[in-house]
Amino acid sequence: EVQLVESGGGLVQPGGSLRLSCSASGFTFRGYWIHWVRQGPGKGLVWVARIDGDGSTTHYADSVKGRFTISRDNAKNTVYLQMNSVRVDDTALYYCARQMGIFNGGLDYWGQGTLVTVSS
Amino acid sequence: DIQMTQSPSSLSASVGDRVTITCRASQSINTYLNWYQQKPGKAPQLLIYGASSLQSGVPSRFSGSGSGTDFTLTISSLQPEDFATYYCQQSNNNPYTFGQGTKLEIK
Repeated sequence: EVQLVESGGGLVQPGGSLRLSCSASGFTFRGYWIHWVRQGPGKGLVWVARIDGDGSTTHYADSVKGRFTISRDNAKNTVYLQMNSVRVDDTALYYCARQMGIFNGGLDYWGQGTLVTVSS
Repeated sequence: DIQMTQSPSSLSASVGDRVTITCRASQSINTYLNWYQQKPGKAPQLLIYGASSLQSGVPSRFSGSGSGTDFTLTISSLQPEDFATYYCQQSNNNPYTFGQGTKLEIK
């Protein structure tokens, strides 16, 4: 069974840092792009970042570029999102999701999300 | 960045109704368009990928069509469990932008 489990969320002050983790199981982890998507309170889905199977290619939303870094450890079946210089508008539920194994496919499995609150 | 615009933003309908939600891209995305359903307190679920391919396990009352810039999601006969928020997402270009969502409510 494919599973994605996020962790690492919490309360952080503006300007601070936080590292989110996404632990995967039930599939050949290195074969898939993994994405981060966030959802602010009562808001819609916002795509954040993605990383390819061997970690050599990454893409970011403009709103997080230069502040967030996505990475992965295939030995641990885990993807990370390092969040630096966080802002109040980074407050959201952060989901990780697997991109299906076809060219430019959709996100077929999602975790339950981890909540990040940025507040002083 | 490609902007995705859904219409309507909200919709009231009854069980058994046929419902259509549209999604327009600011530039051509070929058929790299995905549809998701999200229920309150739950993660999104992929319904349609590649504009018209039904994800495994999704009921056949859901269908998608379109190419280029204009796309539709159709639910042929609404069931009680279909009342949720629906999002389109393009996967043609980075960043993989989402539409703003369409909330489908019970009339």
